[in-house]
Order: sequence, then structure tokens, then C-alpha cells
Amino acid sequence: QQQVKQSPQSLIVQKGGISIINCAYENTAFDYFPWYQQFPGKGPALLIAIRPDVSEKKEGRFTISFNKSAKQFSLHIMDSQPGDSATYFCAASITGNQFYFGTGTSLTVIP
Amino acid sequence: EADIYQTPRYLVIGTGKKITLECSQTMGHDKMYWYQQDPGMELHLIHYSYGVNSTEKGDLSSESTVSRIRTEHFPLTLESARPSHTSQYLCASSESGRGGANVLTFGAGSRLTVL
Repeated sequence: QQQVKQSPQSLIVQKGGISIINCAYENTAFDYFPWYQQFPGKGPALLIAIRPDVSEKKEGRFTISFNKSAKQFSLHIMDSQPGDSATYFCAASITGNQFYFGTGTSLTVIP
Repeated sequence: EADIYQTPRYLVIGTGKKITLECSQTMGHDKMYWYQQDPGMELHLIHYSYGVNSTEKGDLSSESTVSRIRTEHFPLTLESARPSHTSQYLCASSESGRGGANVLTFGAGSRLTVL
């Protein structure tokens, strides 16, 4: 059973637009929700992360919105740039041990 | 520079061959992991280790085996490769402790093709 459900599978956004990727989970024991960014030929790299005691975290153009009651969290990329084109994975973990990943979203930002 | 290295990056072999995917990290992390990545699928944990001489199987059943004789080294072995083993294998590591344990550092991956 998939622990973390991610959508959409792919996303095409114009340069300067907002990219939004959504994830949902069921296990209320999850206490850490990171987003990973993966470029072709590279391994995933931590982009931004949030704990369930806050509803939003912002780092530069990247923001995580977290809705604990709905068990959903999303990544917003403001002013999307062609260099943001990559695959994005959401994940969830319990006390930093086993991580459960979403299926990934392939983002393409067109100039 | 602290990093995690995987070799080979690409491997094409015939059915029945024995292969070992190497993974080494220079960060002194206690925890190491092997994930399997296929297109359009979530990363599946196949093996993990929380320290030397400690290895466990992950959620995804795998015919591969691992060893952890040294902190920095976590190789994965397939005794007899089959086409169903064709996949991308990602090695990762993290620190112990609540703060560091939440950051997985991944290698660039080993793409295995079994003919």
C-alpha cells in the first residue's frame, strides 16, 4: 500500500509561473515531510522540509504548505525557472527513520 | 568534500551473472540505505543499515544482499542477475540523532540492465 500519494505525475509551467505539487498521507505518526529534487543523472537532493507543528515553511522561491487535518502537504515554486525543471518527490518519515516517498512529479518549465 | 559515491554508474550484463554495486560515503554517517527507483514509481527501500554489522531488509522484497563491514562502505550484491532486476539503484546515508537523521544524502545511482 502506497504510504504517500503524489500528484500530478507531470507538470508543464511557463517561466515565471507557479508550480504546485500535492501530496497526501494516511499515517498520522509521520512527523517529518521533506521534498527532494532530482535532476537527470543525479540522485535526489533535499530541497525543503517541514514538521507538522507548522503550517507553512518558505525558503526562497520554494514553499511547503501543510494541512494536518486534511493530511495533505504541497510544494509551491514561485516564479518558476527553466533551471527548476526536474523530478520532485515528496516523502514522509517517522522520527527520521524509514522514509516513504511519493511517485514523483516531472516538472518542465518552458521559457 | 563529504559525499556519497556509487560505482558503477551504468552496468549492462547477461542473465545469471553475479554483480556488486558499490557505495561509499565520506561523511561518517551511521545509517545507510539502498533504494530501488523505477520510472513513475516511488523510491522503494530494499535494504538499510544502522551501523557496522547491522543490516535489515526494507519494505520491497529483493533477492539482493548487503553487507556493512565498515562504516563508510555498503555494497549490494546480486548472486544471479535476472531481467527483472533491471532498475536504478540509489544508495543513501544519514546521521543518527533526530536532527541529522532527517536528511538523506543520495548517491548519483547505479543503473543496472540485465539482458
